[in-house]
Amino acid sequence: DIQMTQSPSTLSASVGDRVTITCRASQSISVWLAWYQQKPGKAPRLLIYKASNLESGVPSRFSGSGSGTEFTLNISSLQPDDFATYYCQQYNSYLITFGGGTKVEIK
Amino acid sequence: EAQLAESGGGLVQPGKSLRLSCAASGFTFSKFWMHWVRQAPGKGLLWVARISSDGKVATYPDSVKGRFTISRDNDKNTVHLQMNSLRAEDTAVYYCARETALTASYFMDVWGKGTTVTVSS
Repeated sequence: DIQMTQSPSTLSASVGDRVTITCRASQSISVWLAWYQQKPGKAPRLLIYKASNLESGVPSRFSGSGSGTEFTLNISSLQPDDFATYYCQQYNSYLITFGGGTKVEIK
Repeated sequence: EAQLAESGGGLVQPGKSLRLSCAASGFTFSKFWMHWVRQAPGKGLLWVARISSDGKVATYPDSVKGRFTISRDNDKNTVHLQMNSLRAEDTAVYYCARETALTASYFMDVWGKGTTVTVSS
């Protein structure tokens, strides 16, 4: 199975900060990566697919990049609604795997 | 608006079985592959099953293969997860999710709110 490793596991930031979350794959997954946001007690929400494609309705302050084994999720200016946990997910293989998550906390 | 609603969770003893259901609405259910994803308390997301749009193909990770079975009824717009020989480590919120319509892209664009399964004596 393809292992996905996110860093950091927790991130403390302030409103207005630029935030970067990294996701690394144990082998090349080309651009077959999605990012999700999850708030406590809620279901995950798709943010980005194919590494850099923004899902409809997602604010443009979110962006994704990368290919191969290293990917990033950027939030250009953190808003109060963005404090949540973020997960990457590879779909290069039909044996889907998620990263361990990055919790974005208020500093 | 596409919606998914899970049901069937609850408290079950180790070794017993439980069947989860997910009712779909707001989209043409028979055209979409469907998934189950779980989340143990305080932990991350773990994919547990996927089924093709016609119900003929199902895939699982090794962690549940042989114990869990995904199925669907396209006439009733419902997908099920039959869970047998349950263990304490199966305790989790179970989410039903729709796979995107994009070809050969196994990510999920619509999620239900989840149903909680607790395995304990």
